[in-house]
Amino acid sequence: RKEVEQDPGPFNVPEGATVAFNCTYSNSASQSFFWYRQDCRKEPKLLMSVYSSGNEDGRFTAQLNRASQYISLLIRDSKLSDSATYLCVVRKYYGDTPLVFGKGTRLSVIA
Amino acid sequence: EAGVAQSPRYKIIEKRQSVAFWCNPISGHATLYWYQQILGQGPKLLIQFQNNGVVDDSQLPKDRFSAERLKGVDSTLKIQPAKLEDSAVYLCASSLTEQETQYFGPGTRLLVL
Repeated sequence: RKEVEQDPGPFNVPEGATVAFNCTYSNSASQSFFWYRQDCRKEPKLLMSVYSSGNEDGRFTAQLNRASQYISLLIRDSKLSDSATYLCVVRKYYGDTPLVFGKGTRLSVIA
Repeated sequence: EAGVAQSPRYKIIEKRQSVAFWCNPISGHATLYWYQQILGQGPKLLIQFQNNGVVDDSQLPKDRFSAERLKGVDSTLKIQPAKLEDSAVYLCASSLTEQETQYFGPGTRLLVL
């Protein structure tokens, strides 16, 4: 089983739609979780960290379910500018262990 | 604030040739990372430096890849000799400390023919 697995893409959605991405991780000792965004031919950028209680940043909501080892990202009212690849990222332990990236899920928001 | 700088942006070489990539991290960032991102995959960590010391190079193919950060600032990643499967984007990232957010450079896109 891969360390971090994501929904296969691509997701093609109309503007204004709500879209959800799912991610599972294999190591139950994992402690830190993130969503990164990567535009086509650009570098990854941190979108948001994922906290145990769930967290929201504008139209974006991240959820963590430790029991199921599952992370989600919900995007409401999709914009054309949301089109990108969304990478699920896990750090195994606190502090200085490496980040492990999923393959990413591509989102295309269509006018 | 200036971001992570990388050069060159693109490189095309033939297999068995050598290639080197350069990275200048954000000023003051002690931790520097090199990642390999193959098309359709997420970035994979090759090596992590804390100042001029190696923290993790467990996924670096040491028979052909080498990296250094001699003065704890700039870093170079070298491949010698290159193989076809080394075709990828090589991303450099830096962070203030190991626990802080990583900021990525634009990457070097390598094509090995």
